[in-house]
Amino acid sequence: ILNVEQSPQSLHVQEGDSTNFTCSFPSSNFYALHWYRWETAKSPEALFVMTLNGDEKKKGRISATLNTKEGYSYLYIKGSQPEDSATYLCAFDSWGKLQFGAGTQVVVTP
Amino acid sequence: GAVVSQHPSRVICKSGTSVKIECRSLDFQATTMFWYRQFPKQSLMLMATSNEGSKATYEQGVEKDKFLINHASLTLSTLTVTSAHPEDSSFYICSARGSQGVRNTEAFFGQGTRLTVV
Repeated sequence: ILNVEQSPQSLHVQEGDSTNFTCSFPSSNFYALHWYRWETAKSPEALFVMTLNGDEKKKGRISATLNTKEGYSYLYIKGSQPEDSATYLCAFDSWGKLQFGAGTQVVVTP
Repeated sequence: GAVVSQHPSRVICKSGTSVKIECRSLDFQATTMFWYRQFPKQSLMLMATSNEGSKATYEQGVEKDKFLINHASLTLSTLTVTSAHPEDSSFYICSARGSQGVRNTEAFFGQGTRLTVV
């Protein structure tokens, strides 16, 4: 069983503040690192699929970085809004399989 | 993004009966489908990976005779929980990928199924 860990487990953010959280994963047999956003009562949706060491990707106020050599990725939310409230999952893509972390639950309060 | 439809969203069944959960890709060909199970406050645990037309590959500790997976077409995979027991009560969710052989493509998820065995 691969070790994909996310921290913190949950965090509360004031509207307008920026935040970030971590995903750590094995540094061997790496194909890609995925980030998904999972809102309550909806299906998880892909945010980013990152493949290269040093990758940085951005979608609106959300961005992510990737370090494959040390096995970690950061997800950043800039100027958090209530609609950013969700659980953010990372997934380690190796040998055709996606192994997920437990997620970071983000609650943005007005 | 592509759409994956999973049914039913909730099911309650009696202990000893079997339950089938369907996962359909509506607008793309899903060469690979994954089935996950989630316990409260825990991550999505990969149960098995299935490729169209071939037998599913089960993760260690997952009973293949208990959780029957069929991926007979490029748009449909089913998970059957056989002889269900209360400990099988859980949240089950499928995801699908197209583009066979391209491993870094995103996965598209169904809505999940909440199974309760009484």
